[in-house]
Amino acid sequence: GAGVSQSPRYKVAKRGQDVALRCDPISGHVSLFWYQQALGQGPEFLTYFQNEAQLDKSGLPSDRFFAERPEGSVSTLKIQRTQQEDSAVYLCASSSPAGGTEAFFGQGTRLTVV
Amino acid sequence: AQSVSQHNHHVILSEAASLELGCNYSYGGTVNLFWYVQYPGQHLQLLLKYFSGDPLVKGIKGFEAEFIKSKFSFNLRKPSVQWSDTAEYFCAVKSAGTASKLTFGTGTRLQVTL
Repeated sequence: GAGVSQSPRYKVAKRGQDVALRCDPISGHVSLFWYQQALGQGPEFLTYFQNEAQLDKSGLPSDRFFAERPEGSVSTLKIQRTQQEDSAVYLCASSSPAGGTEAFFGQGTRLTVV
Repeated sequence: AQSVSQHNHHVILSEAASLELGCNYSYGGTVNLFWYVQYPGQHLQLLLKYFSGDPLVKGIKGFEAEFIKSKFSFNLRKPSVQWSDTAEYFCAVKSAGTASKLTFGTGTRLQVTL
């Protein structure tokens, strides 16, 4: 596609509910990143994939957070047993090594845990 | 660990005023530097980037930034702002030459009044 696509755009979850957020990167982009942006803050790194391999998950805040990219394209960020502090915008970005490592961002999924 | 500091959290300017937003980073190696902009309701978009070469970088919409290695700074400038520049601006840094994670500052909200 023309850009990075994320769905849903908005998600309201009850505390304790599991959620799954989807990212469809730019076609052919090898690298895929997830970031979490709390209100009034800059995006913070969660995890990084190169193709289907998760090379860095150092930013995941707890073991309730899990990400996958099984076929090296679409990625899913899953949050189990959501808590109020998980409320944030979750951003996905993709980049191609041949493209000068510039990252292109999706519009994000705004998660609100009530 | 990398860190990015943006000195101005909220800036209010009249149209045609000059803009300078400060950005300092902390990192021990060679870096790539970025300024991203987020217009209301839209995704993060790249304004400009520095990888190597001329430290004065020109981006879209009349923005420019200067990399001063000795000061670990990458300040964003525009000679004459427009109402349409109202947005949030994020400075970011990453390790050079790799598709590694971006570390963002907390952002500066720019409000341009008519």
